[in-house]
Amino acid sequence: AQSVTQPDIHITVSEGASLELRCNYSYGATPYLFWYVQSPGQGLQLLLKYFSGDTLVQGIKGFEAEFKRSQSSFNLRKPSVHWSDAAEYFCAVGMSGNTPLVFGKGTRLSVIA
Amino acid sequence: DSGVTQTPKHLITATGQRVTLRCSPRSGDLSVYWYQQSLDQGLQFLIQYYNGEERAKGNILERFSAQQFPDLHSELNLSSLELGDSALYFCASSVELAAKTQYFGPGTRLLVL
Repeated sequence: AQSVTQPDIHITVSEGASLELRCNYSYGATPYLFWYVQSPGQGLQLLLKYFSGDTLVQGIKGFEAEFKRSQSSFNLRKPSVHWSDAAEYFCAVGMSGNTPLVFGKGTRLSVIA
Repeated sequence: DSGVTQTPKHLITATGQRVTLRCSPRSGDLSVYWYQQSLDQGLQFLIQYYNGEERAKGNILERFSAQQFPDLHSELNLSSLELGDSALYFCASSVELAAKTQYFGPGTRLLVL
């Protein structure tokens, strides 16, 4: 069965600093890859997705992610973090056919002044 | 705003009771998914309906059931509630049966006392 690992449970960065959130997956073929963000008390908002093609994908709110097949990774990045980016971030993996998404446990991002 | 609506936003009930959570998908979306989010289990897929029919089942307890109505809204019924059922319940929707991009509602926070 496929799995998703987000190694960092909690990350703290300074406002204006760069950010990278890690995501690794376990699956034989190239999966569909997603990053969602969950602000406190809110639902999950889709940041970006990768299905095929260019391995660097741009998302909303200035986020980007890069798919690296050799490392089975799909890390999320942002060059300059804003205080409003403080939230929980989830990586998710999907396969072809009607199979449910599998989510990582999430990484909580704190932003300090 | 994803376009997916869920009611109620919060629900407090007692053990042994039964509750119904409601979800309206985005306009045009035929597929509805239910997820449970708890601190220890993370985000777990429960069940999927497509155009009124159950199409996939995940870690859903026998005490839980769901249905999708002709107008495509869905309800998740939770019965014989236990303390451990306290969680955030999310609904998500997508256009097609095997569409990979899911849009999440704001969730219903259930507290069982």
